[in-house]
Amino acid sequence: QKEVEQDPGPLSVPEGAIVSLNCTYSNSAFQYFMWYRQYSRKGPELLMYTYSSGNKEDGRFTAQVDKSSKYISLFIRDSQPSDSATYLCAMNSTGNQFYFGTGTSLTVIP
Amino acid sequence: KAGVTQTPRYLIKTRGQQVTLSCSPISGHRSVSWYQQTPGQGLQFLFEYFSETQRNKGNFPGRFSGRQFSNSRSEMNVSTLELGDSALYLCASSEGTSGGSMFSTDTQYFGPGTRLTVL
Repeated sequence: QKEVEQDPGPLSVPEGAIVSLNCTYSNSAFQYFMWYRQYSRKGPELLMYTYSSGNKEDGRFTAQVDKSSKYISLFIRDSQPSDSATYLCAMNSTGNQFYFGTGTSLTVIP
Repeated sequence: KAGVTQTPRYLIKTRGQQVTLSCSPISGHRSVSWYQQTPGQGLQFLFEYFSETQRNKGNFPGRFSGRQFSNSRSEMNVSTLELGDSALYLCASSEGTSGGSMFSTDTQYFGPGTRLTVL
């Protein structure tokens, strides 16, 4: 079983839609949860970072962590064509080793 | 500050050859991590170097090795290349000062990657 599972999509939505991206994980020791955005032919860039359970909002983005269910989500409100990218979830516990999902490909259609 | 740089950006090799990839971290960052990214497996952790020492290691064979220099620049070497080594190799730098503690909050900043194709 993989440490982190993420639906690869692809996901295609119309501009202005609310997008929900999700990951599940198996290691209950994970405490730090991150979402990265990766545009084609680029390295991932950090979007959101949360610690433990709860919600965190940053502009149009909301990250949600449910440690009891081992489930994290990223919501994108009022999605824009510029949000079209691959979204990767990542998490870690101790040390500096990060575990990543395989990424969900998102296309926002104008 | 300048971002993470990786060279070369693209590389084509044949089976059995070896390859060396280079990563220059953000100025002041002492930790460099290497990842392999493929469509099927996603991002997989190779290893992390901090202050010229390998601090963490993923589950890759010994053909994959790395090192870090005193200026924090890092190189990754893959020997006896196999077709399955074709991938995007990404490095990420971070301050690394909280590595090994329970409260690691370091943010990793990724470079653009080196696209390796093995024929």
